[in-house]
Amino acid sequence: GENVEQHPSTLSVQEGDSAVIKCTYSDSASNYFPWYKQELGKGPQLIIDIRSNVGEKKDQRIAVTLNKTAKHFSLHITETQPEDSAVYFCVTGNQFYFGTGTSLTVIP
Amino acid sequence: DSGVTQTPKHLITATGQRVTLRCSPRSGDLSVYWYQQSLDQGLQFLIQYYNGEERAKGNILERFSAQQFPDLHSELNLSSLELGDSALYFCASSVDESYNEQFFGPGTRLTVL
Repeated sequence: GENVEQHPSTLSVQEGDSAVIKCTYSDSASNYFPWYKQELGKGPQLIIDIRSNVGEKKDQRIAVTLNKTAKHFSLHITETQPEDSAVYFCVTGNQFYFGTGTSLTVIP
Repeated sequence: DSGVTQTPKHLITATGQRVTLRCSPRSGDLSVYWYQQSLDQGLQFLIQYYNGEERAKGNILERFSAQQFPDLHSELNLSSLELGDSALYFCASSVDESYNEQFFGPGTRLTVL
């Protein structure tokens, strides 16, 4: 099956700084790469996704970059705010393989 | 609110027992997915149904089974429960079976004593 590695497992940043989370995958057939955010006590929620025919996608303070050759994709959050504190998951394969998660803490 | 509902919210049972978790997808969604979330295993995909038929299978144990009914709600049955089955079980739904956003329910927390 797919092997998804996500780094770092925990990340603390000062409010206003940027945060970057990286994922690598093994299945070259993967062509859909969503990122989910899970707040405490809730189910995951999609925040951004990218398909393999695009190298970068941006939505306000959130962006995702994809390097299909190197089989890695990254989540970038700029101007972080306390409400960005959550666990973030990358997903790949046929959308069923979740990374191990990154616990992001934004310090006010 | 994602529009996906799961019942019950909490479930406490004993080893060896059998339980049923229920999920109602968002209105109009045909695909239902089940996931298990535990501290040591992360989010693990269990199984997907699309319009009543099984579409994909993940690391689902033989003691677990699921089905999707004509009204599109789904049930996950867990039998011969073990301590290690204690986890959060999430249901998600999506419009179809292709690569699209999944909407997650609030989860069912299962505790096996």
